Amino acid sequence: GENVEQHPSTLSVQEGDSAVIKCTYSDSASNYFPWYKQELGKRPQLIIDIRSNVGEKKDQRIAVTLNKTAKHFSLHITETQPEDSAVYFCAARNTGTASKLTFGTGTRLQVTL
Amino acid sequence: DTGVSQDPRHKITKRGQNVTFRCDPISEHNRLYWYRQTLGQGPEFLTYFQNEAQLEKSRLLSDRFSAERPKGSFSTLEIQRTEQGDSAMYLCASSLGDRGTEKLFFGSGTQLSVL
Repeated sequence: GENVEQHPSTLSVQEGDSAVIKCTYSDSASNYFPWYKQELGKRPQLIIDIRSNVGEKKDQRIAVTLNKTAKHFSLHITETQPEDSAVYFCAARNTGTASKLTFGTGTRLQVTL
Repeated sequence: DTGVSQDPRHKITKRGQNVTFRCDPISEHNRLYWYRQTLGQGPEFLTYFQNEAQLEKSRLLSDRFSAERPKGSFSTLEIQRTEQGDSAMYLCASSLGDRGTEKLFFGSGTQLSVL
């Protein structure tokens, strides 16, 4: 089955700086890669996703890049703000054959003033 | 709130007791998932329904766990003879299973503590 690795496990940045979180996946057939943000005590919320037919997707301060050859994808947050502090999870899925998302272990992002 | 709702939010039980959780998905969503999340980890897949049919179960799901979705709407997850290792957040998620629409929406979860 699919295996997703995520790093770093913790990341501290100053407000206004950029943050990058990286994930690798094992199943070359995976074709859907969402990112979720989970604040303390709250539900995971989808913040951005990308399909394997594109290499990059951007939504305001958030962008995701995908390298299918290397089987890795990354989340980029620019101009970080304190409200970006949360745990971020990457996930992967083969939408053709697999019903479930496989998640990474999470990155705790702390944005300091 | 028209999102995925779960009940109860918190459950404290003694080892050996049975517990049941409920999930109400987004109304038009035909797929429903149960995940388990422990502290510092990502959600782990437990089981999945398409309408009322349970189509996949994880090896994590021992025979003490059973899930149902009798009318293809709400779902229940029951844990029998709870163990301390069952303590976790149990998350429900739903999606609209059309081609190209894979977005999963999560509920707020049920936090289970087994004493």
